[in-house]
Amino acid sequence: AQSVTQLGSHVSVSEGALVLLRCNYSSSVPPYLFWYVQYPNQGLQLLLKYTTGATLVKGINGFEAEFKKSETSFHLTKPSAHMSDAAEYFCAVSSNTGKLIFGQGTTLQVKP
Amino acid sequence: GAVVSQHPSRVICKSGTSVKIECRSLDFQATTMFWYRQFPKQSLMLMATSNEGSKATYEQGVEKDKFLINHASLTLSTLTVTSAHPEDSSFYICSASSRQGVGDTQYFGPGTRLTVL
Repeated sequence: AQSVTQLGSHVSVSEGALVLLRCNYSSSVPPYLFWYVQYPNQGLQLLLKYTTGATLVKGINGFEAEFKKSETSFHLTKPSAHMSDAAEYFCAVSSNTGKLIFGQGTTLQVKP
Repeated sequence: GAVVSQHPSRVICKSGTSVKIECRSLDFQATTMFWYRQFPKQSLMLMATSNEGSKATYEQGVEKDKFLINHASLTLSTLTVTSAHPEDSSFYICSASSRQGVGDTQYFGPGTRLTVL
């Protein structure tokens, strides 16, 4: 069975600082991993997705994530935070039936 | 590309009435659509998976007679909350995928805020 753990329900950074949102997964099969962002009262927007191949995945809005099999991690990073990055971020793994298994989410706060 | 819409975005209804929420894929054919429920400050809870032309598959604990799902075409799925009660108040989000397989991307709608008085 697959599962996702997001370490830190709330992360606060200053504008211009590095953003690091942590995600660890458990999967009995090669994982397909996703990061989504949710702004208040909106649906989820796909940031990036890992399938196979290159372990460093680049997404939209300057975000990227690195798949590390040995650490079962898929942490999301951005070199310089913008105020507009403040939102809820969800890491997810695809089950073998195509369902998404979500982590509990991490709220990113960006301070001026 | 890959735009999913939901209608209505917000609905308020009286206890005991039924509410229908539409989910449409605007620029692709959605073989599979998913319905989620989200409580404040929580993650998404999958309610059911629907494939075009067949009955929806409900997750454990979700009442299929209360949450009726119809996936009549490759671009439209509907969720009807029957005899709604205040505890059904929540944020309902749909997603759509062109396939249902491992690793297929789900594209999400903007959500529907349901308030039952």
